[in-house]
Amino acid sequence: DAKTTQPTSMDCAEGRAANLPCNHSTISGNEYVYWYRQIHSQGPQYIIHGLKNNETNEMASLIITEDRKSSTLILPHATLRDTAVYYCIVRVVSGGSNYKLTFGKGTLLTVNP
Amino acid sequence: KAGVTQTPRYLIKTRGQQVTLSCSPISGHRSVSWYQQTPGQGLQFLFEYFSETQRNKGNFPGRFSGRQFSNSRSEMNVSTLELGDSALYLCASSAGTANTEAFFGQGTRLTVV
Repeated sequence: DAKTTQPTSMDCAEGRAANLPCNHSTISGNEYVYWYRQIHSQGPQYIIHGLKNNETNEMASLIITEDRKSSTLILPHATLRDTAVYYCIVRVVSGGSNYKLTFGKGTLLTVNP
Repeated sequence: KAGVTQTPRYLIKTRGQQVTLSCSPISGHRSVSWYQQTPGQGLQFLFEYFSETQRNKGNFPGRFSGRQFSNSRSEMNVSTLELGDSALYLCASSAGTANTEAFFGQGTRLTVV
């Protein structure tokens, strides 16, 4: 699986949009970008994933650049409960493929009042 | 819909003992994967089971093993426990097919003394 690079930490004011970048310059054509987050001592929580088109769900939006070498996770209105470590993961997806997530160190997002 | 259930939540064992952890996936999910999380190494993939077969294995010693039952429930076993095995053990459940997300349990916190 391709390697990802994320900033170690970021701050965001409550109510503002949080934009978390991820670099995956070696991504292959059959690799998806997944985002998970982990609130202290809890299991990781799935947020969103995409291949090349931008995606949006009730939690967040995922913007993937046209060359697919980087992406941005957007939390439109951050709250204190969004404080967590956010992981950007690139995963090979093919028919019947095994399911393995390779976690990096992620970005610690701190939402401040 | 019930989430992923891991039991027990907390466990204290003595060096040299063995331990079995249990994971009940989301109903209908056939893939269960296991991860170890430590402060030093982060989240690391242990193995994945799909329809009672191990599909993928991480880089862990043979003391770590697992199995999956016909109802998709999975167990993970660690024999001859070492102090370094103290960690949060997480299991993730997914449909196991292409382009799906995985959902994590709350984990089992294992302490080896």
